Amino acid sequence: EAGVAQSPRYKIIEKRQSVAFWCNPISGHATLYWYQQILGQGPKLLIQFQNNGVVDDSQLPKDRFSAERLKGVDSTLKIQPAKLEDSAVYLCASRTGGSYNEQFFGPGTRLTVL
Amino acid sequence: KQEVTQIPAALSVPEGENLVLNCSFTDSAIYNLQWFRQDPGKGLTSLLLIQSSQREQTSGRLNASLDKSSGRSTLYIAASQPGDSATYLCAVPGSGNTGKLIFGQGTTLQVKP
Repeated sequence: EAGVAQSPRYKIIEKRQSVAFWCNPISGHATLYWYQQILGQGPKLLIQFQNNGVVDDSQLPKDRFSAERLKGVDSTLKIQPAKLEDSAVYLCASRTGGSYNEQFFGPGTRLTVL
Repeated sequence: KQEVTQIPAALSVPEGENLVLNCSFTDSAIYNLQWFRQDPGKGLTSLLLIQSSQREQTSGRLNASLDKSSGRSTLYIAASQPGDSATYLCAVPGSGNTGKLIFGQGTTLQVKP
């Protein structure tokens, strides 16, 4: 079974530029999460999708971050414009079934904002 | 608001030693707890998932315990090896029953040959 795929793996941009990350969850997983992990900290949820609907985006900085999951499969996370403090690893995770089930994480995208 | 704390933040041990990593959480109303491993520059690999009805889960040299009433979990690693060197994160579900995870800051383990 293929795991969660993410691209790109690394991205370096200047502040005020825009950037987009892509995630392809495990086939059949209806729930998809985007987490932000700042160096030395645990991941923190940015947004959660159930199929193509948003379940929780309370921690998403909506003035600069946006995310979509068209057709309930792939998802993209965009930052526009980027700030220095956005430097982090962006992790995508997916799960199937109920909220009791295990989450599976992708390899992450490491973003450096200069 | 659920908060998760992991102690110690870093640990260095000689190869072969048995060790314990600690995780504490403030809200005991959880339905499971998950331990992850993260290698440098990589994503998270799930190690063990303990449901609230369980007290322990074992996988190879790893054993995780859960004590909901005291808000604690431990990850026991037997006969540590250099390949065990990584950051270990514990996570519990957040409020709202959506399955989102609240993570500790992790314990970075170094096993010296």
